[in-house]
Amino acid sequence: GDSVTQTEGQVALSEEDFLTIHCNYSASGYPALFWYVQYPGEGPQFLFRASRDKEKGSSRGFEATYDKGTTSFHLRKASVQESDSAVYYCALGDANSGTYQRFGTGTKLQVVP
Amino acid sequence: NTKITQSPRYLILGRANKSLECEQHLGHNAMYWYKQSAEKPPELMFLYNLKQLIRNETVPSRFIPECPDSSKLLLHISAVDPEDSAVYFCASSQERGLGENTGQLYFGEGSKLTVL
Repeated sequence: GDSVTQTEGQVALSEEDFLTIHCNYSASGYPALFWYVQYPGEGPQFLFRASRDKEKGSSRGFEATYDKGTTSFHLRKASVQESDSAVYYCALGDANSGTYQRFGTGTKLQVVP
Repeated sequence: NTKITQSPRYLILGRANKSLECEQHLGHNAMYWYKQSAEKPPELMFLYNLKQLIRNETVPSRFIPECPDSSKLLLHISAVDPEDSAVYFCASSQERGLGENTGQLYFGEGSKLTVL
C-alpha cells in the first residue's frame, strides 16, 4: 500500500542553521504530497502541498519540491528560528480514494538560540 | 482555532461510555476522526464525505462514529481500554470528488482521552 517515510526522528539545530527533513514516498501515480507542522498541545497545521512532478510548495520560509524520479518531497528552510521548533509531518494523499491522507512518522525539530 | 471546535477538550474515563463532539464552521464536505497516541503521528479512524461514511479503518467496535449533518461529527466510545488513551482530532477538508487529489486538512484542537 501507499506509504511515506521520514528518516529523521529528531533534528537539533542552532538558530540560522539550514534545515533539511527528508521525506520519501511509495505510491502509484501522482499522489498529492503535504507538509504539516504540529506545535505542542495543538492539532497539525497545513504548511503546503504539491501534486505534480517538479512542483514546488512553500510557506513561512519552508519549501519542498515534488520529485517523482527520487519519490521525494524533502522539507528545507534556509535559516531556522527558535519559533520553528515543532514536529513536522510529511503526508501522502491517496490518489485512488482521493480523500485519505497518510502521515509519516514525524520529525521533531528543536532549535536553540 | 475556532474554525473547528471539539468538546470536551479533556476526558478521563474508567469503563464509562462517552461521546466526543466536533463542529466545523468552514463549509467543508469531508470530516475525519484521527487518533494520535503519544509520540506518534495522527492515524485515520473514520472519514465522512457528504455525511456518508466512506472510510473506516481497522478500529475497535467500541468506537462508533456519527455524522448528524455536514458540519457535525460525533465519536461514541463505550467500554474504553487503556490503549485508547490518546488525543482524538477532528479534521475537515473540501474535497472536489472521489479520484481527485485531496485537499488540505484543517484540524481541531483535539480531545485528550485518559483511560484509568
